[in-house]
Amino acid sequence: AQSVTQLDSQVPVFEEAPVELRCNYSSSVSVYLFWYVQYPNQGLQLLLKYLSGSTLVKGINGFEAEFNKSQTSFHLRKPSVHISDTAEYFCAVSVYSSASKIIFGSGTRLSIRP
Amino acid sequence: DAGVTQSPTHLIKTRGQQVTLRCSPKSGHDTVSWYQQALGQGPQFIFQYYEEEERQRGNFPDRFSGHQYPNYSSELNVNALLLGDSALYLCASSIRDRATNEQFFGPGTRLTVL
Repeated sequence: AQSVTQLDSQVPVFEEAPVELRCNYSSSVSVYLFWYVQYPNQGLQLLLKYLSGSTLVKGINGFEAEFNKSQTSFHLRKPSVHISDTAEYFCAVSVYSSASKIIFGSGTRLSIRP
Repeated sequence: DAGVTQSPTHLIKTRGQQVTLRCSPKSGHDTVSWYQQALGQGPQFIFQYYEEEERQRGNFPDRFSGHQYPNYSSELNVNALLLGDSALYLCASSIRDRATNEQFFGPGTRLTVL
């Protein structure tokens, strides 16, 4: 079975500061890794995904994440955040399959202070 | 491309009632997955439909059932509603033969059970 742990339930940060949202996963088989963002009262939007290849993945809105197999981590980073980045961020995994269920972490609420 | 659409946006029911939620997948997608997102938590997989059959199921009771139509649209039915069924219900669509398992999410239906 797979599981995802998001180590911080809330992360407050000042505008234009860098941010890192931490994610660790557990799986006995190879997995795909995702980060989704959920703005207030909206559905989920895919930020980025790791399927294979380069361990540094770039996504939308200036976000990037690094896959670390030895530490089973997939932390999300942004060098300079904006007020508009205020949202809930979910790390997720699925097994190598074209139609596998996605397993989500409990989420990290990113709040940006002006 | 309209993306994934869900209806209704909001719904209020009382305990013991039954509810039907609807989802239209993104154009060209043939697989629909349903997730339940309780307040303050990450989404949890309910089940997945492909070729009008339930292909995978999460840890949800039989009160949760679904259907997929020939045009790939889908319904989620919940019988004998409980207060704990109050949540945001998310529909996600994907292409089964695409190995990346990228699922596109709709805006969700917020169900309140009183």
